[in-house]
Amino acid sequence: EAGVAQSPRYKIIEKRQSVAFWCNPISGHATLYWYQQILGQGPKLLIQFQNNGVVDDSQLPKDRFSAERLKGVDSTLKIQPAKLEDSAVYLCASSLNQRSYNEQFFGPGTRLTVL
Amino acid sequence: AQKVTQAQTEISVVEKEDVTLDCVYETRDTTYYLFWYKQPPSGELVFLIRRNSFDEQNEISGRYSWNFQKSTSSFNFTITASQVVDSAVYFCALSEWGNSGGYQKVTFGTGTKLQVIP
Repeated sequence: EAGVAQSPRYKIIEKRQSVAFWCNPISGHATLYWYQQILGQGPKLLIQFQNNGVVDDSQLPKDRFSAERLKGVDSTLKIQPAKLEDSAVYLCASSLNQRSYNEQFFGPGTRLTVL
Repeated sequence: AQKVTQAQTEISVVEKEDVTLDCVYETRDTTYYLFWYKQPPSGELVFLIRRNSFDEQNEISGRYSWNFQKSTSSFNFTITASQVVDSAVYFCALSEWGNSGGYQKVTFGTGTKLQVIP
């Protein structure tokens, strides 16, 4: 069974530029998560989708971050414009559904460096 | 509000030593789930174990064991006879229903970096 795919794996940009990340979850997984992981910290939830609807985006900086999950499968996360403090690893995860007992399956992450 | 505390930032042990990683959580819910994930240097978090709030039985899986104590809100993880391959960052996580209900809300701890020295 294929795991969660993410691309690109690494990205280096200048501040004020734009960047987009792509995620393909495990087939059949209804719930998709985007996390931001700053070095030395735990994953912080940015946005959570159930199929193609948003169920939690309370910690998403909406003035610069946006995300979509068209057709309830793939998802993209965009930052526009990027700031220095956005340097982090962006993790995508998926789970079968929204039940509390479901474990999450993580992708390898995208390491973003903002210069 | 839910919270997960992993007070140990980094631990170093010599190979074959036993090591315990601590996790303390806070929640107002009576039904919740606790998880441990491993993040090796490659970066991909891997699920290790899940525990529900009604099951306080300890669990053993090979060299790994977990001790869940509801009275102290702790869910500790012990690795017996540690190996170099155990070197990773370990995260404890708490899962419960979101404030609006109807969806899973997961909070991760800050992680404990374990280094096993050969």
